Amino acid sequence: DAGITQSPRHKVTETGTPVTLRCHQTENHRYMYWYRQDPGHGLRLIHYSYGVKDTDKGEVSDGYSVSRSKTEDFLLTLESATSSQTSVYFCAIGTLQGNYGYTFGSGTRLTVV
Amino acid sequence: AQTVTQSQPEMSVQEAETVTLSCTYDTSENNYYLFWYKQPPSRQMILVIRQEAYKQQNATENRFSVNFQKAAKSFSLKISDSQLGDTAMYFCAFRPYYGGSQGNLIFGKGTKLSVKP
Repeated sequence: DAGITQSPRHKVTETGTPVTLRCHQTENHRYMYWYRQDPGHGLRLIHYSYGVKDTDKGEVSDGYSVSRSKTEDFLLTLESATSSQTSVYFCAIGTLQGNYGYTFGSGTRLTVV
Repeated sequence: AQTVTQSQPEMSVQEAETVTLSCTYDTSENNYYLFWYKQPPSRQMILVIRQEAYKQQNATENRFSVNFQKAAKSFSLKISDSQLGDTAMYFCAFRPYYGGSQGNLIFGKGTKLSVKP
């Protein structure tokens, strides 16, 4: 839709394994975000980026790391997946212009067994 | 810290009727934006409507309108002539405005709306 894609769309992984989720944008936006969505919690911010190699922690960053080596790509890594990280993960791009809102990717459903 | 509260976890409405979803927020900022996002079963997050805090006039987008009460820190969404396609999770969200820098989008926990035929 607005040039933001996430991969994979679904993933099942085992406890203790590393997992990387990818977010790719074609909008050249400076700001990118990773959220997780859980029932009863809404969407909570994990990490965000305000430029290449510039990242910061959000509300629920423990157990997650991110990297942004190019403007268009923002990676979320679970170093050692746990069952509590079973969730739906959304990437978003944000703008300080226009409607000032975010545009979201289609989400990744991650199941840790 | 800024917080967003949606006090209605679930609501239902008959097709063609009007429903209002509630949202309150807490902030010490004077400049900010408020949003309502819709998440249908497809999981896609869709922006429904937004409101700038400095505007007194309530935003309207077709069948969707808001009642923004800045002093009360309230931002409710009214859906008129409800349609089956309005069935979705609705999230209220807040984003502070700092001029040239950004504030992160903060979400409420959501309200699950079911439109019944």
